[in-house]
Amino acid sequence: TQLLEQSPQFLSIQEGENLTVYCNSSSVFSSLQWYRQEPGEGPVLLVTVVTGGEVKKLKRLTFQFGDARKDSSLHITAAQPGDTGLYLCAGAGWDAGNMLTFGGGTRLMVKP
Amino acid sequence: DAGITQSPRHKVTETGTPVTLRCHQTENHRYMYWYRQDPGHGLRLIHYSYGVKDTDKGEVSDGYSVSRSKTEDFLLTLESATSSQTSVYFCAIRDRTGTYEQYFGPGTRLTVT
Repeated sequence: TQLLEQSPQFLSIQEGENLTVYCNSSSVFSSLQWYRQEPGEGPVLLVTVVTGGEVKKLKRLTFQFGDARKDSSLHITAAQPGDTGLYLCAGAGWDAGNMLTFGGGTRLMVKP
Repeated sequence: DAGITQSPRHKVTETGTPVTLRCHQTENHRYMYWYRQDPGHGLRLIHYSYGVKDTDKGEVSDGYSVSRSKTEDFLLTLESATSSQTSVYFCAIRDRTGTYEQYFGPGTRLTVT
């Protein structure tokens, strides 16, 4: 069974601060995705990383896939209240067929 | 936004009654998934479909069945609802590409009393 652990589980910060969310596993993934979910809505895909060591940027969000493809991080620069939400990582294993393994999520609150 | 709708969006039902949730897509994607989301457990896969009439179990399939008679519709049935099935249910779709990106519906909040 593949597991993805996210840390921290909860994060409450002030507007303008930087933060990093981690997604770790002992398993190797063929690709890894990050989603953001707002209350009462479904998760929305932010990014997919595929290559070990890959870095992708989405405005103030920077995503990195670990060299060994077992972990990933999401860094937010100068967080804004609009970044508030639940951040989920999800990995596709080499032998997982058509399924994704989801992490437990990081709930971020950015206070103005 | 991916064309995925779920119905109903909210439902309250009594223990022991059958319940069917519907997921409808307009994207003609091959793969469809049903998840449940509970505090402390994240998203857990119930069942998924890889084509019309082709389905397989996920990690929490007990007490649930699914059917897919058309590409666009994927139904999740709770044959006899229990209080432990109170949850938020999400449908997701994926196309045939290799990156496994999934697109989620808005969810159905189900309460079993």
